[in-house]
Amino acid sequence: SQQGEEDPQALSIQEGENATMNCSYKTSINNLQWYRQNSGRGLVHLILIRSNEREKHSGRLRVTLDTSKKSSSLLITASRAADTASYFCATTFTGGGNKLTFGTGTQLKVEL
Amino acid sequence: ETGVTQSPTHLIKTRGQQVTLRCSSQSGHNTVSWYQQALGQGPQFIFQYYREEENGRGNFPPRFSGLQFPNYSSELNVNALELDDSALYLCASSYSGSRSYNEQFFGPGTRLTVL
Repeated sequence: SQQGEEDPQALSIQEGENATMNCSYKTSINNLQWYRQNSGRGLVHLILIRSNEREKHSGRLRVTLDTSKKSSSLLITASRAADTASYFCATTFTGGGNKLTFGTGTQLKVEL
Repeated sequence: ETGVTQSPTHLIKTRGQQVTLRCSSQSGHNTVSWYQQALGQGPQFIFQYYREEENGRGNFPPRFSGLQFPNYSSELNVNALELDDSALYLCASSYSGSRSYNEQFFGPGTRLTVL
């Protein structure tokens, strides 16, 4: 399996704080995507960063990509209770077409 | 909410039985991928269908099979169910063009329990 690793496995913060999650992967990638999943339901696409990009922003989300270290980070600023969910990184890799290879996920809990 | 729907929502089967899960892709999408997500794990790629043909397969045995129809909806069939097949099955649709791959939109999933 080429599944990546995410760190930390679980994260608990107070509302208003920032949350940072990290993802490492094993092979050369075409792009890396972050998804959110609430309570074992479907995945919601958050942001996509291509292999030639280093940083991307979307609202309160900031994603960085370091291809030399094969790692990415997702920063959620000014977190809200509604951000409580599991977050997964997923990569498409060279020669793998559109197949997504997911990491193990970070469970984020934002407390009031 | 995406335009991807899956049925049924929940399903309980016994070991050795066969199951068919269904997925309706988002309008304008021509590619459907299926993933299996065991409890506490990230989704694992099962296979992908593009224009009614299998276009890539993950590390799953042949008893996992699929179909894509002319309207780009899809079925996942699992024969000879095993206890370890208990999982959330996710379908994702996307538009694939010539050498271009785009965002995948996921359905809500089908929760399969094998007793």
